[in-house]
Amino acid sequence: DVKVTQSSRYLVKRTGEKVFLECVQDMDHENMFWYRQDPGLGLRLIYFSYDVKMKEKGDIPEGYSVSREKKERFSLILESASTNQTSMYLCASSFGTGQGAMVDEQFFGPGTRLTVL
Amino acid sequence: QKEVEQNSGPLSVPEGAIASLNCTYSDRGSQSFFWYRQYSGKSPELIMFIYSNGDKEDGRFTAQLNKASQYVSLLIRDSQPSDSATYLCAVNRDDKIIFGKGTRLHILP
Repeated sequence: DVKVTQSSRYLVKRTGEKVFLECVQDMDHENMFWYRQDPGLGLRLIYFSYDVKMKEKGDIPEGYSVSREKKERFSLILESASTNQTSMYLCASSFGTGQGAMVDEQFFGPGTRLTVL
Repeated sequence: QKEVEQNSGPLSVPEGAIASLNCTYSDRGSQSFFWYRQYSGKSPELIMFIYSNGDKEDGRFTAQLNKASQYVSLLIRDSQPSDSATYLCAVNRDDKIIFGKGTRLHILP
């Protein structure tokens, strides 16, 4: 079974703090994704990566950055957390091979509910 | 027009009946279509995918795709209380997948 794990289920941070959300997958997947999910807005793609050290902006990258130093780990960074970044953050991975093969099944982690005060 | 549209629901269906969930999409070039199920407080999990026009059946689930009309649907036969969840339609746009906002399904015992 594919397993995608996220470092925290719940996180509370203060405005202006730097926040790291970690995601690890154990199935040697090429592609990894970060989404946020908000009521009424659905799942929105923040960043994705189809290879180590590669990253691509999703639909809402502003205020976020990512890091993928190893194939199994994809980190989401909030450089200076703001209250409008309070959300559920979901990491996902998919097998794929290369950029064109990203449209296959995505496996999601359990999510991190981040609250920024 | 939104890229992937779903009725938010809730859709209430009696136990044992057929639940029908619909999704429309705007990009005529889309080739990959997915249905994810998300229980409250949990993350999405894939239940069906379809690439070709027509029907695809898997147990109690049937996915239907009509590319000319740009819609994809999910039928759940013999609905069970355990089917109560939010169902997300997902469609590719180029090399990314775009999710709809989901339809809440409630199976009435």
